[in-house]
Amino acid sequence: NAGVTQTPKFQVLKTGQSMTLQCAQDMNHNSMYWYRQDPGMGLRLIYYSASEGTTDKGEVPNGYNVSRLNKREFSLRLESAAPSQTSVYFCASKKGEILYDTQYFGPGTRLTVL
Amino acid sequence: AQSVSQHNHHVILSEAASLELGCNYSYGGTVNLFWYVQYPGQHLQLLLKYFSGDPLVKGIKGFEAEFIKSKFSFNLRKPSVQWSDTAEYFCAVMNSGGYQKVTFGTGTKLQVIP
Repeated sequence: NAGVTQTPKFQVLKTGQSMTLQCAQDMNHNSMYWYRQDPGMGLRLIYYSASEGTTDKGEVPNGYNVSRLNKREFSLRLESAAPSQTSVYFCASKKGEILYDTQYFGPGTRLTVL
Repeated sequence: AQSVSQHNHHVILSEAASLELGCNYSYGGTVNLFWYVQYPGQHLQLLLKYFSGDPLVKGIKGFEAEFIKSKFSFNLRKPSVQWSDTAEYFCAVMNSGGYQKVTFGTGTKLQVIP
């Protein structure tokens, strides 16, 4: 099992450019998440998908869109990148059952917006 | 709304010193609690978790945490740290009712000096 994979690992964008961050998991998990990690602020939830076909906003959804393409894949799109979106982005997944559930994280995408 | 506080932002210890990192949460209902570790340049890995039962939880690499319900705390401890424990540590809380929501603390950077 590869677990949770993310592409790309690094990306540099200019203000106003768009891009999509890809995430895939091979653990047959129902729930998937996108977080951003900024110094001194921990991890903040951008969007999550409780199951295939559903998506919901987290704490900081503005400027982002998501697509749950199928059970395995959950992508994050920046339509018009801004310097404030410079961050490290982590995708996570978990089985989605109520009890005894743990999130597994991908390796992250380091995004710089100039 | 649930929240997590990690009061120590940066801790510096010498090898063999004992470690205790504070974590307090606020939530009125039943919670599940986690400690994650992030080594430099890597993604988050689960150290330990508490769902129910014995409030003293043992995790990997000699770490343990104690859930004290009356104090809303879940402090992380290790009797003797090693240089390889240098990392950032995140406490997280997941409420049992809305099981999708995981809230992370802002993290504690631990630096262990040889």
